[in-house]
Amino acid sequence: SQKIEQNSEALNIQEGKTATLTCNYTNYSPAYLQWYRQDPGRGPVFLLLIRENEKEKRKERLKVTFDTTLKQSLFHITASQPADSATYLCATYNQGGKLIFGQGTELSVKP
Amino acid sequence: DAGVIQSPRHEVTEMGQEVTLRCKPISGHNSLFWYRQTMMRGLELLIYFNNNVPIDDSGMPEDRFSAKMPNASFSTLKIQPSEPRDSAVYFCASRPGGGAASYEQYFGPGTRLTVT
Repeated sequence: SQKIEQNSEALNIQEGKTATLTCNYTNYSPAYLQWYRQDPGRGPVFLLLIRENEKEKRKERLKVTFDTTLKQSLFHITASQPADSATYLCATYNQGGKLIFGQGTELSVKP
Repeated sequence: DAGVIQSPRHEVTEMGQEVTLRCKPISGHNSLFWYRQTMMRGLELLIYFNNNVPIDDSGMPEDRFSAKMPNASFSTLKIQPSEPRDSAVYFCASRPGGGAASYEQYFGPGTRLTVT
């Protein structure tokens, strides 16, 4: 069955640097991947969706890539700010139509 | 739009008691999802509805869990009897499209359940 794997270790970076988070999937190549942000005590919030035929997607300071050869998606935040500190979740639909999530990676941006 | 509304936000109950969680999806959304989030298992889908009909409840852990969606604007998740291992944050989410669509899901604020 499809599994989504994210680095469980927290990522600590300095303000202004680029944060890069990794999402790997284990089985078939999904048609698309989604990225969500979750703040403590809140529900996940959708950020970006990238389709398998899109190499890259951008939204303001966010950039997502999708490499079907590596079975990997990378999520970049450029010019990071302390307000970007949160947990970021990768998700995709499995063949049964369910949205499955990775464990998430906690990002901490220090001023 | 107020977004997905969940109640209560926090629930503390004793083992063996019945717990009912409530959700109001975003108006016009056709699909509704119930998730459970714990540190150990992350975010897990319990059940989802399309047009008020339960489509897949394979994620419901046991017969103690049940969910209903009597109309397009309301759903409940019930645990009876509750056990300490049910302690988690329960999220409700809705989505505009039905079926295996690519639409993002909109999550509510969650209900933090503690069973002592």
